[in-house]
Amino acid sequence: DAGITQSPRYKITETGRQVTLMCHQTWSHSYMFWYRQDLGHGLRLIYYSAAADITDKGEVPDGYVVSRSKTENFPLTLESATRSQTSVYFCASQGLAPDTQYFGPGTRLTVL
Amino acid sequence: GQQLNQSPQSMFIQEGEDVSMNCTSSSIFNTWLWYKQDPGEGPVLLIALYKAGELTSNGRLTAQFGITRKDSFLNISASIPSDVGIYFCAGPGSSNYKLTFGKGTLLTVNP
Repeated sequence: DAGITQSPRYKITETGRQVTLMCHQTWSHSYMFWYRQDLGHGLRLIYYSAAADITDKGEVPDGYVVSRSKTENFPLTLESATRSQTSVYFCASQGLAPDTQYFGPGTRLTVL
Repeated sequence: GQQLNQSPQSMFIQEGEDVSMNCTSSSIFNTWLWYKQDPGEGPVLLIALYKAGELTSNGRLTAQFGITRKDSFLNISASIPSDVGIYFCAGPGSSNYKLTFGKGTLLTVNP
């Protein structure tokens, strides 16, 4: 099915562990984004990518790493998870126009 | 960076009432977008606006692109329980692909 998927949907981990959140889109969109959503802060951009092998920092990149070896995948890694990274994470992909940004269903991450 | 100020932060209304929310920016936007996020899901685009002064409807939803290009409004008429969720305004700002989002308006509809 066409669309954008995220996995896992829910994840509980412990402080200091490495966690990778997966994102996959089937539209061949050039742009992909990672956001985190926290109460009172709305959606904050973590990292984005304009194409395969091209990534850049967003508003809150510290503690996160991304890669994009294939157009359709954009994994987000927390190298050493902290409690402040407990959040809901959304991946999005976008075509050429800004009104073509589509969001995945989100991953709820809890860091104990 | 650019910021969007969205108000109100939350609204609690009775079913059947009309709702208004707005978004303002200190800089000009060439496109305004309104998203809705249902509980437990990702945001979904409701309406896109492309020209200053433009008024666009999508069912019971009506949005307007402000004349100054620094604000936008979203109205929901005759609210129903499924209107519950968070409404976000967004715009591309200086970049044509990176969106800036408002902090959202949480809407609760009492049946």
